[in-house]
Amino acid sequence: QKEVEQNSGPLSVPEGAIASLNCTYSDRGSQSFFWYRQYSGKSPELIMFIYSNGDKEDGRFTAQLNKASQYVSLLIRDSQPSDSATYLCAVNFHRSGGYNKLIFGAGTRLAVHP
Amino acid sequence: DAGVTQSPTHLIKTRGQQVTLRCSPISGHKSVSWYQQVLGQGPQFIFQYYEKEERGRGNFPDRFSARQFPNYSSELNVNALLLGDSALYLCASSWTGEEQFFGPGTRLTVL
Repeated sequence: QKEVEQNSGPLSVPEGAIASLNCTYSDRGSQSFFWYRQYSGKSPELIMFIYSNGDKEDGRFTAQLNKASQYVSLLIRDSQPSDSATYLCAVNFHRSGGYNKLIFGAGTRLAVHP
Repeated sequence: DAGVTQSPTHLIKTRGQQVTLRCSPISGHKSVSWYQQVLGQGPQFIFQYYEKEERGRGNFPDRFSARQFPNYSSELNVNALLLGDSALYLCASSWTGEEQFFGPGTRLTVL
């Protein structure tokens, strides 16, 4: 079983719609959760992080976390063509010795069409 | 403020050679992590350094090594290169190791 799973997509949504990206993880000890956006040929860019159950909003982005279901999601409201990218979910489990190892999913490709 | 910087941008090597990749973290950040990303996959953790000490290592062979300098910059070394080492190598900078910010990466091609 993969540690962090994402649907590879592509997820295609029309401009102005809500894009919903989902991620499940296997390690119940995971403590913090991150969403990165990666444009083709570029490096990942941190867009959201969430540590507690519930919703966290930042502009057009909302991250949702449900630790009981081991599920984290990212909602993008009013999707724009510039949001077209691969979205990577990353999970952090604090290891003994105090280091932080991000485990990434393979990413979901989002395509926003005009 | 300058973000994470990495050099070189691109690199072409042949099998068996050795390579050194460099990273400078965001000013004030003391933690540097290295990741390998092959096409179509998410980044995979290689190392994390904090205050010049190795804090963690991923499932990579001993051909991979790294170090962190007193100014918190870091180098990743890969010996005896294999074709499968071709990838985007990413350096991530962090204040505590939690929220990690990536540099532009070094694209390594092994022929």
